[in-house]
Amino acid sequence: AQKVTQAQTEISVVEKEDVTLDCVYETRDTTYYLFWYKQPPSGELVFLIRRNSFDEQNEISGRYSWNFQKSTSSFNFTITASQVVDSAVYFCALSEEEGGKLIFGQGTELSVKP
Amino acid sequence: KAGVTQTPRYLIKTRGQQVTLSCSPISGHRSVSWYQQTPGQGLQFLFEYFSETQRNKGNFPGRFSGRQFSNSRSEMNVSTLELGDSALYLCASSLTSGRFEQFFGPGTRLTVL
Repeated sequence: AQKVTQAQTEISVVEKEDVTLDCVYETRDTTYYLFWYKQPPSGELVFLIRRNSFDEQNEISGRYSWNFQKSTSSFNFTITASQVVDSAVYFCALSEEEGGKLIFGQGTELSVKP
Repeated sequence: KAGVTQTPRYLIKTRGQQVTLSCSPISGHRSVSWYQQTPGQGLQFLFEYFSETQRNKGNFPGRFSGRQFSNSRSEMNVSTLELGDSALYLCASSLTSGRFEQFFGPGTRLTVL
């Protein structure tokens, strides 16, 4: 069965601190896709990144970076020099090749204090 | 390009009633998925439609149903509402399959009294 675990329910940091959000997944498929979404207080889920199972290259986009390690089934997300606007709930999700079914983790609520 | 739109944004119903929610995907997107979000269960997949056919279904009772029209717009229906159906219902669209990212609408907040 497919499963996504985000063990950190809540994280609180002070502005400019770096923070890493953990994501561990389970799947029997050899082809799968991993995603991160941000849900600000307004409620709308915002797509951040997609990674397929064959691409283990880490990615950096501005202050955001992602570390994908198949050996540990992890897809962690790091925010460098956090800002108050980063405060949101972050979801990690998994999908298989066909069919639009995203399996979400429980989410990590990040609070960045000034 | 316009994003995913959902109507209505807020809805209040009483137990036993039925409700229909609407979703218009991003232009050119053929896959529409629906999710239920509650504080207790988190984000759960309801079903996915592609080219007017239900391609995938989550673990929800038959009271939850949906359809997709030829223009890719989708509706979901919940019959015989229960208090536990109170949730944020999110619609997402993507180009075709699971390999593509899904873009979410703002959601419909359903309250069942």
